[in-house]
Amino acid sequence: GNSVTQMEGPVTLSEEAFLTINCTYTATGYPSLFWYVQYPGEGLQLLLKATKADDKGSNKGFEATYRKETTSFHLEKGSVQVSDSAVYFCALSVSYGQNFVFGPGTRLSVLP
Amino acid sequence: GAGVSQSPSNKVTEKGKDVELRCDPISGHTALYWYRQSLGQGLEFLIYFQGNSAPDKSGLPSDRFSAERTGGSVSTLTIQRTQQEDSAVYLCASSSAPTSYYGYTFGSGTRLTVV
Repeated sequence: GNSVTQMEGPVTLSEEAFLTINCTYTATGYPSLFWYVQYPGEGLQLLLKATKADDKGSNKGFEATYRKETTSFHLEKGSVQVSDSAVYFCALSVSYGQNFVFGPGTRLSVLP
Repeated sequence: GAGVSQSPSNKVTEKGKDVELRCDPISGHTALYWYRQSLGQGLEFLIYFQGNSAPDKSGLPSDRFSAERTGGSVSTLTIQRTQQEDSAVYLCASSSAPTSYYGYTFGSGTRLTVV
């Protein structure tokens, strides 16, 4: 079946530190890959996506590259801010059935 | 509307009572999903509607849970005889086709507390 694995949190960083949140997936076929972010007390928001191998999604200083050979979609940011504190969900989508599979989420706390 | 709207935003109910949670998806979105998020946990899939097809109910945790989608738009999630373990945030999402390209748009959720 299709599945998504993320690094366990919580991840605690100081402001301006480099961020990596690992995400790997298992899927039948060729999924699209997504990162969603959930700020405290809010619903999930789409952060970035990549729909085919070697695509790079980017938004708000975050980036992730769709690596088919390693079945990975790691989230990175060069310099985190306190306002980036949130829970980050990696997800994949296939073109059939339930469509989306979410990872368990990684909580990021950025300290000033 | 501009986004996915869920109501109420908060609901406190007594154990054993029935509750209804509402979701208004983005106009024109054919796919609608319900998820549950317990405190500090990930997303638990509940049910999925796609157009006029029969819904995928494979995630509903018990027969106390049911959902409808009327006219291909508004959806209602009903929980009968609520239990304390039903306390969670219930998230609705909708999507334009193909979901695998556009992704979901989530509502802000309904926080259900069963006391």
